[in-house]
Amino acid sequence: GQQVMQIPQYQHVQEGEDFTTYCNSSTTLSNIQWYKQRPGGHPVFLIQLVKSGEVKKQKRLTFQFGEAKKNSSLHITATQTTDVGTYFCAGKTGNQFYFGTGTSLTVIP
Amino acid sequence: KAGVTQTPRYLIKTRGQQVTLSCSPISGHRSVSWYQQTPGQGLQFLFEYFSETQRNKGNFPGRFSGRQFSNSRSEMNVSTLELGDSALYLCASSFWFSGPPIPNEQFFGPGTRLTVL
Repeated sequence: GQQVMQIPQYQHVQEGEDFTTYCNSSTTLSNIQWYKQRPGGHPVFLIQLVKSGEVKKQKRLTFQFGEAKKNSSLHITATQTTDVGTYFCAGKTGNQFYFGTGTSLTVIP
Repeated sequence: KAGVTQTPRYLIKTRGQQVTLSCSPISGHRSVSWYQQTPGQGLQFLFEYFSETQRNKGNFPGRFSGRQFSNSRSEMNVSTLELGDSALYLCASSFWFSGPPIPNEQFFGPGTRLTVL
């Protein structure tokens, strides 16, 4: 069946280091959405990518959508303690919407 | 604009009981989706309602059901609770999530933490 996997599952970084999470789908997606969930909180929408090869930036965050529309990445430059949380990708294929397995980011001050 | 509200926030039930969770979407949003979040299975889609009709359904047993009212508020019901139903149940609000080719963003509520003993 459809799977959206993210790697790594967990990542610990020193404050100031960069961080990247990768999202891979077994089928082509019509879009990619990224969400952030703080510990004890709920997912909050970050961004949506639609076009093949699309790249979007939000301050220190860079989002990419793969050429084949089956993978995506989120890169954070110079992490801060406020970046702590779990990052989920999510995408639509057919009429179904799937969340990735998530990457939990810990930032060590 | 008020955000998505879910009630109750916490619930403790015993096996075999049933439970009803409620979600009020953002004003103007007509789509409500429900998700189950557990450490082991992650975020799993339960179903989506739009204009009082179920538009999409995930791969959950028939014990999980829902409905949507004319004011877009939605309820989710789980009957004959099992230990494995312990989870955070999240409701997400959107203009119309699954209808357009490209989904709208979803706004999540704080969730209902269900514990089944």
